[in-house]
Amino acid sequence: DAGVIQSPRHEVTEMGQEVTLRCKPISGHNSLFWYRQTMMRGLELLIYFNNNVPIDDSGMPEDRFSAKMPNASFSTLKIQPSEPRDSAVYFCASSFNSQETQYFGPGTRLLVL
Amino acid sequence: EDQVTQSPEALRLQEGESSSLNCSYTVSGLRGLFWYRQDPGKGPEFLFTLYSAGEEKEKERLKATLTKKESFLHITAPKPEDSATYLCAVKAGTASKLTFGTGTRLQVTL
Repeated sequence: DAGVIQSPRHEVTEMGQEVTLRCKPISGHNSLFWYRQTMMRGLELLIYFNNNVPIDDSGMPEDRFSAKMPNASFSTLKIQPSEPRDSAVYFCASSFNSQETQYFGPGTRLLVL
Repeated sequence: EDQVTQSPEALRLQEGESSSLNCSYTVSGLRGLFWYRQDPGKGPEFLFTLYSAGEEKEKERLKATLTKKESFLHITAPKPEDSATYLCAVKAGTASKLTFGTGTRLQVTL
């Protein structure tokens, strides 16, 4: 079975550019989570969706960050404009429902110069 | 606010040298404590979920236990392939999010 798929795996961009990260959850899972991992703060939840609807976006750092889930098999996390402090590894995770175990993708390593 | 603290930050063991990793938590209404393993450059890989004090779960050389204040991940006779960062996370109250600790970096040498 395919796990959570994320793309790109690595992204290097310049400050001010728009960055779009993509995620395909495990088939049949109806909850999707976006996390950010840094050395200083560890893994932190940014936003999660249940049945394609955003439920909790309290972890989104600021208006430069936005996330969408247009259908059950695809989600995007967009940063516009990007800043060097956004450099981190961004993980997508999915679960059968919001209460079940979350399974993580391989992550996107973002570097903003 | 939910808090999760893991110790030690890093641990170096020789192959076969058993030890334990600690995860202490402060939450209101624990609904689950999760252990994940993370290898460099990869996403966290699910290991265990514990739901109530006294519960124990085992997988190969790993055994997780839970009390009302902390969880332990016991590693028996570790091998070099057990080297990874072990993350602890909690789910509490009505929230669906996981609150993670900062992890314990385990290195097992020959």
